[in-house]
Amino acid sequence: QQQVKQSPQSLIVQKGGISIINCAYENTAFDYFPWYQQFPGKGPALLIAIRPDVSEKKEGRFTISFNKSAKQFSLHIMDSQPGDSATYFCAVNAGGTSYGKLTFGQGTILTVHP
Amino acid sequence: DARVTQTPRHKVTEMGQEVTMRCQPILGHNTVFWYRQTMMQGLELLAYFRNRAPLDDSGMPKDRFSAEMPDATLATLKIQPSEPRDSAVYFCASGLVRTANQETQYFGPGTRLLVL
Repeated sequence: QQQVKQSPQSLIVQKGGISIINCAYENTAFDYFPWYQQFPGKGPALLIAIRPDVSEKKEGRFTISFNKSAKQFSLHIMDSQPGDSATYFCAVNAGGTSYGKLTFGQGTILTVHP
Repeated sequence: DARVTQTPRHKVTEMGQEVTMRCQPILGHNTVFWYRQTMMQGLELLAYFRNRAPLDDSGMPKDRFSAEMPDATLATLKIQPSEPRDSAVYFCASGLVRTANQETQYFGPGTRLLVL
């Protein structure tokens, strides 16, 4: 059973545009929703994360929007730059006694054209 | 700048051979994760440890994979015998997790494994 579904699989945007990646989950026990960024040949790195007590979190050009009732969260990249070209993963935590454990989405390959 | 280190970075081997991958977590981190990344399956959790004790290895093929933490500074993932379907990038990640709400994982650069 896939705990988190991520879309789209790939995304191409022009420099300066807005990139939007979406994730949907089923288990309402999840209480931590991070996004990781991975450049080719590197390991994933935490980009931004949100907890369900807020509906939005912004860090620079990156924003997470969280919709608790719809069980969805999304990553918005404003003013997308070629340097943002990477693979992005959403994740959810396991909670309970499995705290610290994350389940990742399938990933979205973002290409930003100059 | 504290980082997770992994060795080797690349490994090419023949089917049936033993493969051992090593990971040095960030000093002071108490939780270590092993992931496998492929195009088809994405990032899969194979096993993880807290304070060197295995907590969950349900994602790992038991008959050929084994994971250990001989000490707090070393985690190993072993495949014996290796098969072509094991070809993937294997990541180690570590984190300081004492309670809930501490979930940040720091990934190493990965070991790219090719089994011929």
